[in-house]
Amino acid sequence: QQQVKQSPQSLIVQKGGISIINCAYENTAFDYFPWYQQFPGKGPALLIAIRPDVSEKKEGRFTISFNKSAKQFSLHIMDSQPGDSATYFCAADIRAGSSNTGKLIFGQGTTLQVKP
Amino acid sequence: NAGVTQTPKFRVLKTGQSMTLLCAQDMNHEYMYWYRQDPGMGLRLIHYSVGEGTTAKGEVPDGYNVSRLKKQNFLLGLESAAPSQTSVYFCASSHTGTGGEQYFGPGTRLTVT
Repeated sequence: QQQVKQSPQSLIVQKGGISIINCAYENTAFDYFPWYQQFPGKGPALLIAIRPDVSEKKEGRFTISFNKSAKQFSLHIMDSQPGDSATYFCAADIRAGSSNTGKLIFGQGTTLQVKP
Repeated sequence: NAGVTQTPKFRVLKTGQSMTLLCAQDMNHEYMYWYRQDPGMGLRLIHYSVGEGTTAKGEVPDGYNVSRLKKQNFLLGLESAAPSQTSVYFCASSHTGTGGEQYFGPGTRLTVT
């Protein structure tokens, strides 16, 4: 119930194309869903995040779509660029009662390669 | 402003040896976390702290201990290293906990032979 399942494991997209990464969860207590981007040899960095009270959030070329009833959310990268080549992780924040821990459950990761 | 730093960057241990990984942050964050990253498994939370002097277990705490004696530092200890602990370890910190951005360090690559 605490898992976040991410797919695909790897993705190859042509420059200018749309990259789509999907995540699914079971625990309805999750209430914050961030996406992190990681370049080789670096730590992850927050890319974009959403709360379940909205169905979509857009920041530049990056959009999160959220389907609360299906317990799924996805990251869309429009006009994908070679510089977007990285590993992407979805995550969900565990809220245990009123405690504020910030504990994240991460998906398995998707390695994106954007070909020029 | 260095953000989150980790020491060392690389380490090779023999089975049974001990070591301590140091995480330091200069952003005055209350919340700090230790994760391990393994291929195909994402990042998994080992231990975390919600403030100076506090620690708590995450998803995979067995074989690890932590201490948060100073607000800016979070130490991860391996008392008797095992090959299963070969991984890349990341430290992160956050100002607000739930719903807040976590800032990650550059990682420590640990190999246990």
